Amino acid sequence: QVQLVESGGGVVQPGRSLRLSCAASGFTFSSYAMHWVRQAPGKGLEWVALISYDGSNKYYADSVKGRFTISRDNSKNTLFLQMNSLRAEDTAVYYCAVVKWEFEEGGAFDIWGQGTMVIVSS
Amino acid sequence: DIQMTQSPSTLSASVGDRVTITCRASQSISSWLAWYQQKPGKAPKLLIYKASSLEGGVPSRFSGSGSGTDFTLTISSLQPDDFATYYCQQYNSYSTFGQGTKVEIK
Repeated sequence: QVQLVESGGGVVQPGRSLRLSCAASGFTFSSYAMHWVRQAPGKGLEWVALISYDGSNKYYADSVKGRFTISRDNSKNTLFLQMNSLRAEDTAVYYCAVVKWEFEEGGAFDIWGQGTMVIVSS
Repeated sequence: DIQMTQSPSTLSASVGDRVTITCRASQSISSWLAWYQQKPGKAPKLLIYKASSLEGGVPSRFSGSGSGTDFTLTISSLQPDDFATYYCQQYNSYSTFGQGTKVEIK
């Protein structure tokens, strides 16, 4: 069964750091680009970051560039999002998602995790 | 950056209605567009990719059309399970989502 399971969310103070994980199963993780997408409470979807299937290419939304780092461990089928210098506006549900086609960086996301909530508050 | 503009933001409709949602890109994205359905507390679900290709398992009442900058999602006969929020997404350059269209019961 194809599955993505996020973890690592929680309540954190402004300026602090948090690391999210996304455990993948049921497909060849190392062949697919991965993305993080977030959704603030009551708001729409916002793309956050992309990493290529082999980790060689990484791209970020302007809103998180320089503060967030996407990475992956293909030996452990796990995707990460290191979030530093967190701000109140980073409060959101964070989803990991898989691109539909092997080796393609861009694409429709056919598999999503259930999401993990990050709350940035003092 | 490519901006995506959806309309309307909210749509009130009845079961059996034909529903159309539009999405406009700030520059040409060819056919690199997807549509998602999201229900409260759930992750988005892929409905349409490459502007008009129906994802496996998605009912045929959903259809997509368009290319370049103007795109449409159509639900031919709205069913009770279709009341949800719909998002378009461009993937021509990284990714950008539209702001969403909430389909409500009239």
